[in-house]
Amino acid sequence: QSVLTQPPSASGTPGQGVTISCSGSSSKIGTNTVSWYQQLPGTAPKVLIYNNNQRPSGVPDRIYGSKSGTSASLAISGLQSEDEGDYYCATWDDSLHGWVFGGGTKLTVL
Amino acid sequence: EVQLVQSGAEVKKPGESLTISCKGSGYNFATYWIGWVRQMPGKGLEWMGMIYPDDSNTKYSPSFQGQVTISADKSSNTAYLQWSSLKASDTAIYYCARHIGPEPRRIDPWGQGTLVTVSS
Repeated sequence: QSVLTQPPSASGTPGQGVTISCSGSSSKIGTNTVSWYQQLPGTAPKVLIYNNNQRPSGVPDRIYGSKSGTSASLAISGLQSEDEGDYYCATWDDSLHGWVFGGGTKLTVL
Repeated sequence: EVQLVQSGAEVKKPGESLTISCKGSGYNFATYWIGWVRQMPGKGLEWMGMIYPDDSNTKYSPSFQGQVTISADKSSNTAYLQWSSLKASDTAIYYCARHIGPEPRRIDPWGQGTLVTVSS
């Protein structure tokens, strides 16, 4: 069981929007920033969002991150077939002195 | 361009030892934490631990403490993940990745992954 809780799956049709949630505890999301990672089939993960809502260069602005209290969300608008893959939230754990990941959400574009 | 290039796939028998590597380029390797993440077949990402190459300060996840050894050689910009006695349950893809922090933290970039298969 992962320390951060994500729904196992999410789906939408092309052009629609989808939101993926990530919940944790005060020693994790509550006191540290959240980052999100996209893993397309057969590839290494790549950072999509860091510092709760910052996009690295090259990540389109239809991808949006937010955080409130001990929960965070990743929103993707204008779904495209190439968005299909697995999405993971992650944060620093103050009690573990290390990183923790969510269990991952498999996004399907119908 | 910041890049991490990992060593190739390995096939080993239970009980054998193994070291895989991760070479960084395009940045000051010594002054960024570099860590390892496991992905078992069909499963999610698990953080294993990280090392600061400049002074070899190392942190491990409790789940992996004592099971693997993380090391680094700043003179060759290379990090290593080592097993002394592999088990079938070590079969997984292992990713190295630069860990940026303290806040705002992120893990970026990631290596291409090394597939380790342990089978008799």
